[in-house]
Amino acid sequence: IQVTQSPSSLSASVGDRVVITCRASQSIGSYLNWYQQKPGKAPKPLIYSANGLQSGVPSRFSGSGSGTDFTLTISSLQPEDFATYYCQQTYNVLSTFGQGTKLEIK
Amino acid sequence: QVQLVQSGAEVREPGASVKVSCKTSGYTFSGYYIHWVRQAPGEGPEWMGRINPNSGGTNVAETLQGRVTMTRDTSITMVYMELNWLRSDDTAVYYCARGGPVAGLLDNWGQGTLVTVSS
Repeated sequence: IQVTQSPSSLSASVGDRVVITCRASQSIGSYLNWYQQKPGKAPKPLIYSANGLQSGVPSRFSGSGSGTDFTLTISSLQPEDFATYYCQQTYNVLSTFGQGTKLEIK
Repeated sequence: QVQLVQSGAEVREPGASVKVSCKTSGYTFSGYYIHWVRQAPGEGPEWMGRINPNSGGTNVAETLQGRVTMTRDTSITMVYMELNWLRSDDTAVYYCARGGPVAGLLDNWGQGTLVTVSS
């Protein structure tokens, strides 16, 4: 199962609302997770099962979708949110990640 | 608290093997899969495979089948990943991560181990 993210990069300002999309090559139900990664660090889990907020993650992060189309929304960008975001499908035992969306400061 | 601590950086020549360890603590070892994920410089994460610490059973990405072996030692709550027949494009940071109870979310990660393959 392939997962494709868009856009691959995005420029935005503090306070903006941002939406990142992930599309699966076949229906994966809600088996879609999101991660944030900063340079030199391991990915940090944000969202599980398409819309579940991982413990400790700010409520400005939210996820939605099912089947093949999913979104990660950041409602009001904060300076610490500039990072790269990845989706991951776990519908298939052989999991796969998206190629990433780099969120940069405008 | 949950911790995954990996072994240190390695340098290998093409054709050699490397074995990376992942020491787990702070939770019931047998209750959660351990996954291996690698990330080449400037690239996104690549899921490599997972091991069931209870049974020792593994699932490995198709692109790595035949080259990757995952094992565990339950007595010391350690997991290992060995990659054989190394190539230059295996140069990457290798992570172990715990598969959480919901949707297989990788909820705790090791610090990463840089493996450099170079002649």
